[in-house]
Amino acid sequence: AQTVTQSQPEMSVQEAETVTLSCTYDTSESDYYLFWYKQPPSRQMILVIRQEAYKQQNATENRFSVNFQKAAKSFSLKISDSQLGDAAMYFCAYRSANNQGGKLIFGQGTELSVKP
Amino acid sequence: DTAVSQTPKYLVTQMGNDKSIKCEQNLGHDTMYWYKQDSKKFLKIMFSYNNKELIINETVPNRFSPKSPDKAHLNLHINSLELGDSAVYFCASSQVGGSRNRQFFGPGTRLTVL
Repeated sequence: AQTVTQSQPEMSVQEAETVTLSCTYDTSESDYYLFWYKQPPSRQMILVIRQEAYKQQNATENRFSVNFQKAAKSFSLKISDSQLGDAAMYFCAYRSANNQGGKLIFGQGTELSVKP
Repeated sequence: DTAVSQTPKYLVTQMGNDKSIKCEQNLGHDTMYWYKQDSKKFLKIMFSYNNKELIINETVPNRFSPKSPDKAHLNLHINSLELGDSAVYFCASSQVGGSRNRQFFGPGTRLTVL
């Protein structure tokens, strides 16, 4: 079974600085998808960024980028120029590309605080 | 228009009661899901339906019964509520193979069992 691990329960960053959130996963599959979701206090789940495992190029979305290391099974999220609105719980998630019903397997989450 | 909606957003009830949470998506997706987020904010899949057929049931107690009357709706009925059922329940939908496999989440339903 696949697992996702986020080893940083809490992180803090100064406004305008850069922060990196860690995520590792375990799988025997070669084809899968990885996601970062943001959950602000409103509890709405917001997709931040996604990565297809077959793509070597790291995904980027404005101030958000990932460092995808397939061999190391690592998928970290970098937030540049941090803003107060980035403060939230961040979840790393895995989805098999095989027929497993499309379920997402989540990590434990990292609570990010942004200091003004 | 809200893509994935859930009702109610908050539900407070007594132990032993039966309650339902409704979910509707207007995205035309073929797959819908229920996730549970516990008090430590851990998210775990409960059920998945594809075209009204159950395809995932992750060892959830049979007090939980999902029902999908059509592709756009997936309701969750819970019998004999227990204190441990207190959590936030999220509905989600996706088009398998489409939109790069993105899942769209509802706003969540916070269930409190007293």
